[in-house]
Amino acid sequence: TAGITQAPTSQILAAGRSMTLRCTQDMRHNAMYWYRQDLGLGLRLIHYSNTAGTTGKGEVPDGYSVSRANTDDFPLTLASAVPSQTSVYFCASSVGASAGELFFGEGSRLTVL
Amino acid sequence: GQNIDQPTEMTATEGAIVQINCTYQTSGFNGLFWYQQHAGEAPTFLSYNVLDGLEEKGRFSSFLSRSKGYSYLLLKELQMKDSASYLCAVRDSNYQLIWGAGTKLIIKP
Repeated sequence: TAGITQAPTSQILAAGRSMTLRCTQDMRHNAMYWYRQDLGLGLRLIHYSNTAGTTGKGEVPDGYSVSRANTDDFPLTLASAVPSQTSVYFCASSVGASAGELFFGEGSRLTVL
Repeated sequence: GQNIDQPTEMTATEGAIVQINCTYQTSGFNGLFWYQQHAGEAPTFLSYNVLDGLEEKGRFSSFLSRSKGYSYLLLKELQMKDSASYLCAVRDSNYQLIWGAGTKLIIKP
């Protein structure tokens, strides 16, 4: 079982360009999340989705957008990348929004120059 | 504001025991998680506490005191592969996870 798959694994992006990070899960989990992880800081929630068709803003949503057209996919889009969005991005899922542990993808390392 | 505190870095010796502490101040409490994260990899689930007391799982144990806003992760019989960062996270009243910055554990032979 693949679990959660993220793509790309790493990417270098010019400032001002757009980028979509892909996330797919095969566990039929209802809830999905996007986090960024920066050195010295805890994981910070960007956006989340408690169930297909719904999304919500996390702690640091500015500059990012998400969609949840179906249960399996939860892409994260940077409309116009800035250097402060250089980070490692993790997609995660859980059985439900209020229950169960999170399962993480392998991460996407993004560098914005 | 909400806050999770854990030491930045700890060093221990192979075969020994180490305790990693986590204190929290959150709006509500719906459980505390510990995750392990090896360098360059994704976090993986270790333990979950929602009631006070000790949860034991092999070489790893996790303790919770809700009245003190305190938890610890105890690692016994340390192995070199235990070198990793250990993340403490609390699920708040909105069921959102609040994460600590992680404790980097260095194991020396």
